[in-house]
Amino acid sequence: AQSVTQLDSQVPVFEEAPVELRCNYSSSVSVYLFWYVQYPNQGLQLLLKYLSGSTLVKGINGFEAEFNKSQTSFHLRKPSVHISDTAEYFCAVTYSSASKIIFGSGTRLSIRP
Amino acid sequence: ETGVTQSPTHLIKTRGQQVTLRCSSQSGHNTVSWYQQALGQGPQFIFQYYREEENGRGNFPPRFSGLQFPNYSSELNVNALELDDSALYLCASSLGQGDQETQYFGPGTRLLVL
Repeated sequence: AQSVTQLDSQVPVFEEAPVELRCNYSSSVSVYLFWYVQYPNQGLQLLLKYLSGSTLVKGINGFEAEFNKSQTSFHLRKPSVHISDTAEYFCAVTYSSASKIIFGSGTRLSIRP
Repeated sequence: ETGVTQSPTHLIKTRGQQVTLRCSSQSGHNTVSWYQQALGQGPQFIFQYYREEENGRGNFPPRFSGLQFPNYSSELNVNALELDDSALYLCASSLGQGDQETQYFGPGTRLLVL
């Protein structure tokens, strides 16, 4: 069965510091991986997705993620965060020929000035 | 701005009542999915519709039902509301069924059951 684990429920960082949000998945088949962001009182917005090819995926707002098949991880990184990055971040997985997305429980990123 | 809208934005119901939530997808998007997001949790897949037919269902009881219309709108109906149904309900639309299709999420409807 597929599952997604986000290891940190909250990550506080200072403005302009780097950040890494961790995500691990479990699946016995090929997967497609996503990171979504949810700003307060809003829906979900796609940050980036990995389907195939290069394991380093670049997304919007300066975020990137690296797919590591051997460690079944898809960690999200940003070299320098801004106050506007304060939001909930969700890692998600789906598999070939299906569109059902399985989400992790989310990581709340809080930026300190 | 994803082009997906939902109504109402907020709703309060009492236990045992029925509710209908609405979603308007992007024009041309044949697939709509509904998710339930309880407070402090990630979204949980309820079901998906493709060209007006149910195309997959998550672990939700039959009192959760849906409809999709030819004009790219859809509904989520919940009967016999329970307190645990209080959540943010999200709809997401995509062009097709393929795994490479990006799903575009609406802002959600926040339902409170008293």
